[in-house]
Amino acid sequence: NAGVTQTPKFRVLKTGQSMTLLCAQDMNHEYMYWYRQDPGMGLRLIHYSVGEGTTAKGEVPDGYNVSRLKKQNFLLGLESAAPSQTSVYFCASSYPRTGSSTDTQYFGPGTRLTVL
Amino acid sequence: AQSVTQLDSQVPVFEEAPVELRCNYSSSVSVYLFWYVQYPNQGLQLLLKYLSGSTLVKGINGFEAEFNKSQTSFHLRKPSVHISDTAEYFCAVSGGGGFKTIFGAGTRLFVKA
Repeated sequence: NAGVTQTPKFRVLKTGQSMTLLCAQDMNHEYMYWYRQDPGMGLRLIHYSVGEGTTAKGEVPDGYNVSRLKKQNFLLGLESAAPSQTSVYFCASSYPRTGSSTDTQYFGPGTRLTVL
Repeated sequence: AQSVTQLDSQVPVFEEAPVELRCNYSSSVSVYLFWYVQYPNQGLQLLLKYLSGSTLVKGINGFEAEFNKSQTSFHLRKPSVHISDTAEYFCAVSGGGGFKTIFGAGTRLFVKA
């Protein structure tokens, strides 16, 4: 049981390049999330998904797109990277139980992205 | 809207000393409160959470937190810290019918020998 995995772990891009971050979970969780972590700002929600085939915008969605074609995978895309997207990206998942607000989120190890 | 304020960005403490990491929240509805820990180069993992009932919540690794509704606080405590507790700690709040979790900016705990 690997939990939540993320690939790649590190990446350096030039401004304007594109890339896709992959998140995979083997816990059969319905909900998945992408966050970015910046110094002094905690985690901010980029996009989230409440099930296969559905996605929604979070707090800071601009410049990112996502897809959830399979329940276990949640992809985060950067179409044209900018230096402001230099950050650590975390994927998380949760399984709705008594109420989604009470659910624990399980996090991947993160992807450190630098945009030059 | 909900928000979380972690009052200290860094907390240095000697090994075996007690520690308190402070967290205040604001919300117009009932909330659920969480503390997550992030060890170096790892993702976040849950320490403890308050959903309802007893206001004193015990978590993993000897940590506990107390929910104080009148002061809108959820401070994290440990009576005796270890070097291995060095990490970043995040307070978080959710509730109000949605499921999005709002995270604080984090408190970096340094435990010195």
